[in-house]
Amino acid sequence: GESVGLHLPTLSVQEGDNSIINCAYSNSASDYFIWYKQESGKGPQFIIDIRSNMDKRQGQRVTVLLNKTVKHLSLQIAATQPGDSAVYFCAENNAGNMLTFGGGTRLMVKP
Amino acid sequence: DAGVIQSPRHEVTEMGQEVTLRCKPISGHNSLFWYRQTMMRGLELLIYFNNNVPIDDSGMPEDRFSAKMPNASFSTLKIQPSEPRDSAVYFCASSLGPRVNQPQHFGDGTRLSIL
Repeated sequence: GESVGLHLPTLSVQEGDNSIINCAYSNSASDYFIWYKQESGKGPQFIIDIRSNMDKRQGQRVTVLLNKTVKHLSLQIAATQPGDSAVYFCAENNAGNMLTFGGGTRLMVKP
Repeated sequence: DAGVIQSPRHEVTEMGQEVTLRCKPISGHNSLFWYRQTMMRGLELLIYFNNNVPIDDSGMPEDRFSAKMPNASFSTLKIQPSEPRDSAVYFCASSLGPRVNQPQHFGDGTRLSIL
């Protein structure tokens, strides 16, 4: 998807709740997807990836779901903690080893 | 293990000056990427290298921007002359390329302000 940084959607959750961050991607030929976490003053940090031959992948407290039919990707964070507060980006690989980044979602965790 | 290292972390300079940003990729990574991040346009790919060779520079804004990768452990992004609209955070990333479907790992960026 196109990167549009002006209007950053925000998700506000209570500490301990589960968070779900959604992403719509643009290219049906994309075969590899990544979620990144970006904290203030830092670069995007790799969280988890998934290839198009899978529809679900789990990591530590995170799960990525891929629905190729509707070109939708989601990141689920279990038992959200204050340290999870950040901007989350999805990225798709659709040409060589280049990534196209989404516009990002800001996650705010209330104590 | 050391991640991607960028320098300087912050740069403030007057318009018209030459700016050089530096990047050391993760050892063993053969693909290197330069990005620019702004509030208006988000994260944009400027150029990327595979095995020190520029592969796609279609994201480079104009001729004032140039990038080099003289060896596998060093790359520079140069802006000459700089303009206020170049103010942004510039990130370098590397990956186990040129194989596809490899995650890119980012440095912490250079925050550039052109006055």
